[in-house]
Amino acid sequence: KQEVTQIPAALSVPEGENLVLNCSFTDSAIYNLQWFRQDPGKGLTSLLLIQSSQREQTSGRLNASLDKSSGRSTLYIAASQPGDSATYLCAVRPIQGAQKLVFGQGTRLTINP
Amino acid sequence: SQTIHQWPATLVQPVGSPLSLECTVEGTSNPNLYWYRQAAGRGLQLLFYSVGIGQISSEVPQNLSASRPQDRQFILSSKKLLLSDSGFYLCARDRGLSTDTQYFGPGTRLTVL
Repeated sequence: KQEVTQIPAALSVPEGENLVLNCSFTDSAIYNLQWFRQDPGKGLTSLLLIQSSQREQTSGRLNASLDKSSGRSTLYIAASQPGDSATYLCAVRPIQGAQKLVFGQGTRLTINP
Repeated sequence: SQTIHQWPATLVQPVGSPLSLECTVEGTSNPNLYWYRQAAGRGLQLLFYSVGIGQISSEVPQNLSASRPQDRQFILSSKKLLLSDSGFYLCARDRGLSTDTQYFGPGTRLTVL
């Protein structure tokens, strides 16, 4: 059974720092991995999607990497801003049962001005 | 457009009352549609998904049900709510391709008292 883990559960850093959020998964048989952002009381916003054949994806100050063989992904946020404060979730789409994304519990990020 | 509408945005219901949450989507026809629940302190749990009109797959045994009466409409229902049904309900969509990004609606906050 696929399991997705995100560590740490919460992170607080001063504004301007570069930071890395971690996501690990137990089964490498995936189609892709997706990073989402969730603001309090809101839905999920898709940030980046990495297909299993890709190593990384970039969007603005965000860079996501994928090491499928080791079951790891990282989300790198450059020059953090208070507006980046949110919960970040990763999810994998497994090859078996591809309709069902498997989510991690999320990392709650706070950027202090 | 990947716009997803959910209503109501918030709902407070007594135990034992019925429930109907609605999700409608814009854009591509014949999307895959999903209902997730996010309970406090717990991750996202897939409840139902649908690959077409009248086609519903249930992921967990519970007192909830789902229906898809039209291509772009997905409804979550219950005949009698339980306290444990409280949570944040999210509707999502994708095109049904294994390489797809999944997009989420704004969610419905349900409190059962």
